[in-house]
Amino acid sequence: DTEVTQTPKHLVMGMTNKKSLKCEQHMGHRAMYWYKQKAKKPPELMFVYSYEKLSINESVPSRFSPECPNSSLLNLHLHALQPEDSALYLCASSQGTGGFPYEQYFGPGTRLTVT
Amino acid sequence: KNEVEQSPQNLTAQEGEFITINCSYSVGISALHWLQQHPGGGIVSLFMLSSGKKKHGRLIATINIQEKHSSLHITASHPRDSAVYICAVSPLIQGAQKLVFGQGTRLTINP
Repeated sequence: DTEVTQTPKHLVMGMTNKKSLKCEQHMGHRAMYWYKQKAKKPPELMFVYSYEKLSINESVPSRFSPECPNSSLLNLHLHALQPEDSALYLCASSQGTGGFPYEQYFGPGTRLTVT
Repeated sequence: KNEVEQSPQNLTAQEGEFITINCSYSVGISALHWLQQHPGGGIVSLFMLSSGKKKHGRLIATINIQEKHSSLHITASHPRDSAVYICAVSPLIQGAQKLVFGQGTRLTINP
């Protein structure tokens, strides 16, 4: 199984809502990532979890809160978002982290619209 | 100037043509990645390479570490190859997992 799954596929939320994005992989990967991608732009890294610990936070606003309950699951909790947060949110995983490069496996993404 | 530059930004070709997309980078790297993204879709990793050449089906990726340059070739192109192709590098300094992305090349193959 070389698949990263993400739910939901689409999400529309108001600026006062609280919602969560979910990502799952069963490849035994120990690193998981959240990216944000705006239209016609490359992905921007948001967070990296390594061995279930947050290892990189790219100065993301606190209205985005990541969580890694176990090595297979990654959540992104959303609260009080702004319309400019509307984007495709991609999850990825890789075998490991550190000085050795690993191939990243991406999920299909959640397309988020904030109204 | 971006650390990773791709050319061309847009490419339209006829079915069957040989396609080349170029990527130049300005930082020391441990690996270079070629990724594919179909419209509205997720990203698929095509290749990760640190030297030489890799081939998968009709796709070939090459890298010249001395010249800091990589190319992605598609032979016998097909409309289903229409997608955005993204070059990304794993920089030596920032850490291997923190990819630096190029802006992407939008490829359209007409039947």
